[in-house]
Amino acid sequence: EIVLTQSPGILALSPGERATLSCRASQSLISTSLAWYQQKPGQAPRLLISDTASRATGIPDRFSGSGSGTDFTLSISRLEPEDFAVYYCQQFDGSRTFGQGTKVEIK
Amino acid sequence: QVQLQESGPRLVKPSETLSLTCAVSGSSITSDHLWAWIRQPPGKGLEWIADLSQGGTSDYNPSLKSRVVVSVDTSRNQFSLKLSSVTAADTAVYYCARENWEGAFDIWGQGTMITVSS
Repeated sequence: EIVLTQSPGILALSPGERATLSCRASQSLISTSLAWYQQKPGQAPRLLISDTASRATGIPDRFSGSGSGTDFTLSISRLEPEDFAVYYCQQFDGSRTFGQGTKVEIK
Repeated sequence: QVQLQESGPRLVKPSETLSLTCAVSGSSITSDHLWAWIRQPPGKGLEWIADLSQGGTSDYNPSLKSRVVVSVDTSRNQFSLKLSSVTAADTAVYYCARENWEGAFDIWGQGTMITVSS
């Protein structure tokens, strides 16, 4: 089973700052099937990015994904108040696993 | 607009079987997607349980495979989850979701909190 490790666990930033979230896989992903989700308290996760770098429908362009092999990144260019949430990465390379999450909180 | 809605008993006794159904609206369950179950224990992260195609082909999380059965009912446009021999560790919010062919879960139900307790 591929294990995804996200870092940092908590990211404290101010609105307007850039956020960089990391997701590292325990082995190289053969495909580019790496997705990112945003989850707010009491809500279901929302798909942000699929296939490493493709924004889902309706997702603002301040969200971008990149990476390959074992190292993947979600970037938020300028944090808006509504972006403070927990973010999960997820892979589909045979099976499906999620990272443990990164909480982006207001500094 | 595609919507998913979970339903089922909210309280399950230890050793019994948890049963949930996900009703799909706004799309046919026979469309070219997979349909998935995912759970989230209180205060913790997400865990994929299983998914299946409208044709009945299924895939399971190896850690849960021995206890899970998923099925699809095309006549009712819904799919189901059964998790047997539950314990307190199975207490979680259970989500159903649509999975695209890139392996991402693009539409989610609102989730339903299931508590395992006597």
